[in-house]
Amino acid sequence: EPEVTQTPSHQVTQMGQEVILRCVPISNHLYFYWYRQILGQKVEFLVSFYNNEISEKSEIFDDQFSVERPDGSNFTLKIRSTKLEDSAMYFCASSERTGGGTEAFFGQGTRLTVV
Amino acid sequence: DAKTTQPTSMDCAEGRAANLPCNHSTISGNEYVYWYRQIHSQGPQYIIHGLKNNETNEMASLIITEDRKSSTLILPHATLRDTAVYYCIVKRRVGNEKLTFGTGTRLTIIP
Repeated sequence: EPEVTQTPSHQVTQMGQEVILRCVPISNHLYFYWYRQILGQKVEFLVSFYNNEISEKSEIFDDQFSVERPDGSNFTLKIRSTKLEDSAMYFCASSERTGGGTEAFFGQGTRLTVV
Repeated sequence: DAKTTQPTSMDCAEGRAANLPCNHSTISGNEYVYWYRQIHSQGPQYIIHGLKNNETNEMASLIITEDRKSSTLILPHATLRDTAVYYCIVKRRVGNEKLTFGTGTRLTIIP
């Protein structure tokens, strides 16, 4: 069964460093998403991406964050200068299309720890 | 998107049907009901979705009331691996790409 894969599974970084979280969406999917979950809190939407551009973003997704699809298979989330409060699980998701009636499939997440 | 209300937690005996309710009294005609679950800290897993008719797949059944103001997710024969947080999410048919997760129902399957 096709799945969304994320690497690394766990990343530890120093405050102020840049990190890149990587995702390989399901191959025929066209819509890509990043969500995050701070320990003990809700899963929160960060950004959606379609046709090589951001289609929607939350207020969490500020100038420190960026997304890219550098080739035909990878989808990345970059955090330029990490803060302690960026520590969270980051989930990538993809869907074949958008709108109601469409299911999104999630990866297993990257646990980011900022020290 | 319409808000949803779910019980904070529920228990169910292994092998029995688990019935998880969700209230979405402000749902509008162009909104779907989705169910996802999250096992421990893994990525959310899609279960099922519906608009107004009842739906069934290999994982679960979704029963939506005629007025669409509430729904029930049914896991017909719960196993220990079904222990998870279950999220009921309402999502517009068009023009909304994100899923808005609430706090969900923590379902514990008891041996």
